[in-house]
Amino acid sequence: DAGITQSPRHKVTETGTPVTLRCHQTENHRYMYWYRQDPGHGLRLIHYSYGVKDTDKGEVSDGYSVSRSKTEDFLLTLESATSSQTSVYFCAISERQGPYGYTFGSGTRLTVV
Amino acid sequence: AQSVTQLDSQVPVFEEAPVELRCNYSSSVSVYLFWYVQYPNQGLQLLLKYLSGSTLVKGINGFEAEFNKSQTSFHLRKPSVHISDTAEYFCAVSDQQGGSEKLVFGKGTKLTVNP
Repeated sequence: DAGITQSPRHKVTETGTPVTLRCHQTENHRYMYWYRQDPGHGLRLIHYSYGVKDTDKGEVSDGYSVSRSKTEDFLLTLESATSSQTSVYFCAISERQGPYGYTFGSGTRLTVV
Repeated sequence: AQSVTQLDSQVPVFEEAPVELRCNYSSSVSVYLFWYVQYPNQGLQLLLKYLSGSTLVKGINGFEAEFNKSQTSFHLRKPSVHISDTAEYFCAVSDQQGGSEKLVFGKGTKLTVNP
């Protein structure tokens, strides 16, 4: 999707290792979100950010941390990866609060073995 | 907190047939509703949204949805589907809590269009 890039696109990692996923945007949007997508669960919010260094937890935040030191980058870290964190991770951005919908990245497929 | 329920996890349909994907939301004073589509191995793309006004909302690719407040529903419809409509469709509601707005998604409906 134009203006939002996720890296890496695919990753396989071992249980217990730390993993960092990156979301980069060129739209200068204030709001950024991390979701995970799992079969039968749809998309669930992990963490979100409403500005540089301003972040908050979503409904499935346990085992995850985030950082946003610049407007354009929102990092998601799995401190010690577990098999239950095998999932597809999506980043989304929004220009402002309100019913405007989000623009999504193409996702990162993470496999924890 | 707001929530949405997508009533069908899978919907198979033949090409050129009509289709309806069902979505119910939890009641609220005001509600903003969305439908997103996800094609295989891609991110989510906004199909349409309801904010206010006309209860019939038209979106991209010939899809439309009807907001029904009395039945707390926001069903997605297309009068004639194509093979290329095969995808997963997500209904979402805007949830405002703690001063911030977040989208809450349903579990998705996989639409398979067969020749």
